[in-house]
Amino acid sequence: QQQVKQSPQSLIVQKGGISIINCAYENTAFDYFPWYQQFPGKGPALLIAIRPDVSEKKEGRFTISFNKSAKQFSLHIMDSQPGDSATYFCAASMANFGNEKLTFGTGTRLTIIP
Amino acid sequence: DGGITQSPKYLFRKEGQNVTLSCEQNLNHDAMYWYRQDPGQGLRLIYYSQIVNDFQKGDIAEGYSVSREKKESFPLTVTSAQKNPTAFYLCASSMSTGGHYEQYFGPGTRLTVT
Repeated sequence: QQQVKQSPQSLIVQKGGISIINCAYENTAFDYFPWYQQFPGKGPALLIAIRPDVSEKKEGRFTISFNKSAKQFSLHIMDSQPGDSATYFCAASMANFGNEKLTFGTGTRLTIIP
Repeated sequence: DGGITQSPKYLFRKEGQNVTLSCEQNLNHDAMYWYRQDPGQGLRLIYYSQIVNDFQKGDIAEGYSVSREKKESFPLTVTSAQKNPTAFYLCASSMSTGGHYEQYFGPGTRLTVT
């Protein structure tokens, strides 16, 4: 019930291409879905987040698509750049709770090749 | 510069020894967290603290202990009771645990126990 399943485990995309990372969840009580970006040897940093009352949120080249009926959400990185090479984590949290109930996916290692 | 500092970056210990990881924040955040990160797994919550002199167990608290004597400091002790202590440890803070406030992560401490 608490799991967030993330795929793929690793992803290689050519520079300029679209990177797509998918996450799925079971618990319909989840109401907050952040994505974190982590560079090697560093802590994660919040990239973008969405709530289930919208189906899409865009910030620059990063877009979250949310499908409430399918219980899936995904991160799209448009015009992928070598500087986007990092590990990306999706996460989910429940209504009436906060960070102490944040459930993370297993991560996707993204590599952008020239 | 506001942020979270963790020290040391790398730590080596012999099996059977307790070890304390440092975490300091100057963001004036009430809430602080400790996570463990293992390859192929998402971040897992060890302990969190909503306020000074109060802390709660997370999902994997066994073999760990914490203290919160000052708002800016939240040290984590990995005891000899922790069966698999080798991991990357991340400290984080946020304004509060509730309300999905953004978590800010430190750079992490990589602990190796042999």
